[in-house]
Amino acid sequence: AQSVTQPDIHITVSEGASLELRCNYSYGATPYLFWYVQSPGQGLQLLLKYFSGDTLVQGIKGFEAEFKRSQSSFNLRKPSVHWSDAAEYFCAVGRFKAAGNKLTFGGGTRVLVKP
Amino acid sequence: DGGITQSPKYLFRKEGQNVTLSCEQNLNHDAMYWYRQDPGQGLRLIYYSQIVNDFQKGDIAEGYSVSREKKESFPLTVTSAQKNPTAFYLCASRRDRSTDTQYFGPGTRLTVL
Repeated sequence: AQSVTQPDIHITVSEGASLELRCNYSYGATPYLFWYVQSPGQGLQLLLKYFSGDTLVQGIKGFEAEFKRSQSSFNLRKPSVHWSDAAEYFCAVGRFKAAGNKLTFGGGTRVLVKP
Repeated sequence: DGGITQSPKYLFRKEGQNVTLSCEQNLNHDAMYWYRQDPGQGLRLIYYSQIVNDFQKGDIAEGYSVSREKKESFPLTVTSAQKNPTAFYLCASRRDRSTDTQYFGPGTRLTVL
């Protein structure tokens, strides 16, 4: 069965500093990987996704993620954090064309931004 | 505007009552999903539907029921059999089988008193 681990439950970062959120997955085949962001009390917004090709993926809001097959990781990065980036971030893995095209989510990482 | 709507945003019910959460999409997406979110546990799949009049149980379907009579609607009923129904419920949709990408509604927070 596939699984996703986000090792950091909380991260605090200063505004203007860089941010990296970790995501490790367990899956037997080539995964389809996603990062979503959730503001308090809101739904999830898709930041970026990886299906194939270039392992460095650009997303919205200045985020990028790198797929590293050898490490089973898909870490999310942003060079300079803004106060509006304070939110919860979820990594997810899917199986293309598998039954239901279901996604498995990690437990999330809550990001706090200090002024 | 195309999107997914969930209503109401906040819902309060007494213990032992059934309650139905609404999810509507005007994206013409084939598939729809219901997730439950509890603090620190990420999202857990309750039910999903890939076509009208068909749906499948997810990982935590006990105490929930759904219907998919129309493509744009996928209501979720939280029954009195659900032991701990207080949670944030999220609905999502996916265009078709060619993609895994799911798009989410704004969520409904259910509190059972």
